[in-house]
Amino acid sequence: QKEVEQNSGPLSVPEGAIASLNCTYSDRGSQSFFWYRQYSGKSPELIMFIYSNGDKEDGRFTAQLNKASQYVSLLIRDSQPSDSATYLCAVRWGNTGKLIFGQGTTLQVKP
Amino acid sequence: ETGVTQSPTHLIKTRGQQVTLRCSSQSGHNTVSWYQQALGQGPQFIFQYYREEENGRGNFPPRFSGLQFPNYSSELNVNALELDDSALYLCASSSRTSDNEQFFGPGTRLTVL
Repeated sequence: QKEVEQNSGPLSVPEGAIASLNCTYSDRGSQSFFWYRQYSGKSPELIMFIYSNGDKEDGRFTAQLNKASQYVSLLIRDSQPSDSATYLCAVRWGNTGKLIFGQGTTLQVKP
Repeated sequence: ETGVTQSPTHLIKTRGQQVTLRCSSQSGHNTVSWYQQALGQGPQFIFQYYREEENGRGNFPPRFSGLQFPNYSSELNVNALELDDSALYLCASSSRTSDNEQFFGPGTRLTVL
């Protein structure tokens, strides 16, 4: 079983819609969760991180964490074509700085 | 722009050779982590350096080694290159006080022929 799992997609949404990206993880002891965006040919860019159960909002982005169900999600409101990218979910392993990444979900926002 | 720089941008080597990749961390950051990203996959943790010492290692063989210098810049060395080492190598810098926020450099694309 992979430690962090994401649907590779592609996930296609129309411009202006809400994009919902999901991620599950296997280590119940995980404490910190991250979402990175990676454009083709570029390096990952940190969008946001979340520690506590519930929602965390930052502009058009909302991260949701449910530790009991071991899933974390990212909602992108008012999706724009410029949001088209691969979204990587990452989980911090224990108390180390090691991040374990999922394989990423490709998002396509169509004008 | 994160302020993290890496060199070179691209590199082509042949099997069996050795390679050194370099990373300069963001100002104020004292921790550097290295990741390998194969095409179509998420980054995989190689190791992390803090105060010039290795501070955690992923599932990579000993031919992957590293250094961190007093100015917090870092090197990744790979010996006896294999075809499967072809990947994007990313370094990420962070502050020990906020180790959760790791910021990536642009990466080095290594091709092994």
